[in-house]
Amino acid sequence: GQSLEQPSEVTAVEGAIVQINCTYQTSGFYGLSWYQQHDGGAPTFLSYNALDGLEETGRFSSFLSRSDSYGYLLLQELQMKDSASYFCAVLYSSASKIIFGSGTRLSIRP
Amino acid sequence: DAGITQSPRYKITETGRQVTLMCHQTWSHSYMFWYRQDLGHGLRLIYYSAAADITDKGEVPDGYVVSRSKTENFPLTLESATRSQTSVYFCASSESISDSAEGYTFGSGTRLTVV
Repeated sequence: GQSLEQPSEVTAVEGAIVQINCTYQTSGFYGLSWYQQHDGGAPTFLSYNALDGLEETGRFSSFLSRSDSYGYLLLQELQMKDSASYFCAVLYSSASKIIFGSGTRLSIRP
Repeated sequence: DAGITQSPRYKITETGRQVTLMCHQTWSHSYMFWYRQDLGHGLRLIYYSAAADITDKGEVPDGYVVSRSKTENFPLTLESATRSQTSVYFCASSESISDSAEGYTFGSGTRLTVV
């Protein structure tokens, strides 16, 4: 089947940098997305990578390596409001739908 | 107001009852999706629709029915609710299946409890 793997929890310090990794099955891969979800809220779209390389949007960056079936979300200058769950999501061309990972809960300490 | 709205926000129902969750979007997006979210499982796709009158199964469709007679509405019906269907349900919409620059936009969710 099609599955994604990401760490279940990550802890970091305010002001620091944190990287959340995501690995996926290669067959039929089309693109990798990242979503943020605060407790009790809805997922919100952060970024999308279809090609290898780094995409930067303010303090957040997303990276993709298709040859390694691997991507990551990089959060810089962490703020307390960044405490949330982060989901990677993959579109497989054979499925015509997006599959989400189980999410990484990011906790930030002062 | 433009956006995607779900109703009700909270629902408690009894086992065996039929219940319908509503989803309405104002952008005229072609694609609409229903996901359920449970601890440890992330978001799992129940059904999706590429356009009015076109629907398809996702990862966990059993026990659910959808319809899309109008582009803006995509209701989800639990034909005979079971306790295992207790979950938070999210509706989402997108102009493109490829989730490119804009991504999916999610509604605020419906927290359903089956007792």
